[in-house]
Amino acid sequence: QKEVEQNSGPLSVPEGAIASLNCTYSDRGSQSFFWYRQYSGKSPELIMSIYSNGDKEDGRFTAQLNKASQYVSLLIRDSQPSDSATYLCAVWGGSQGNLIFGKGTKLSVKP
Amino acid sequence: DAGITQSPRHKVTETGTPVTLRCHQTENHRYMYWYRQDPGHGLRLIHYSYGVKDTDKGEVSDGYSVSRSKTEDFLLTLESATSSQTSVYFCAISESREGIQYFGAGTRLSVL
Repeated sequence: QKEVEQNSGPLSVPEGAIASLNCTYSDRGSQSFFWYRQYSGKSPELIMSIYSNGDKEDGRFTAQLNKASQYVSLLIRDSQPSDSATYLCAVWGGSQGNLIFGKGTKLSVKP
Repeated sequence: DAGITQSPRHKVTETGTPVTLRCHQTENHRYMYWYRQDPGHGLRLIHYSYGVKDTDKGEVSDGYSVSRSKTEDFLLTLESATSSQTSVYFCAISESREGIQYFGAGTRLSVL
């Protein structure tokens, strides 16, 4: 079982819709979770960090964490074409005790 | 890019040659990391540093060495580059071990 799994996509949503990105992880002891956005040819940039079960909102972004089910999700409300990017889920832990990245979900927001 | 400078930004080299990539930070963060990013594999940790002269291996450390002689600089060396080391290399920094990691702009390396 891969340590951090994401659907590779592409996920295509119309402008103004809600985009839902999901991530599951295998290390039950993980305590720190991050979502990064990466535009093509650019470096990852942090969108959200979440450490406790429940929802965390920041503008149009909401991160949701469920440690019992070992998943973390990112909702993007009122999606814009500028949100088109690859979204990376990262979880602290794993077999080596480092930040483990999923392979990313490519999001395309159509005008 | 959070006060992180990677150099060079692009490099083309030949198999068997040594290559050194540099990461320089102005944030005085204790932790520094080197990742590589390849299609189908995502970001994978090569080596990291938790202080001057303190380094440890990551998931894909074979063929790479690192050095950190100053807080602000973290060097990644490919002693004898191979085509399998063609990749995009990112440096990252964080204040604490499990803290948020901030990434540099990346170095695109091609080994021919």
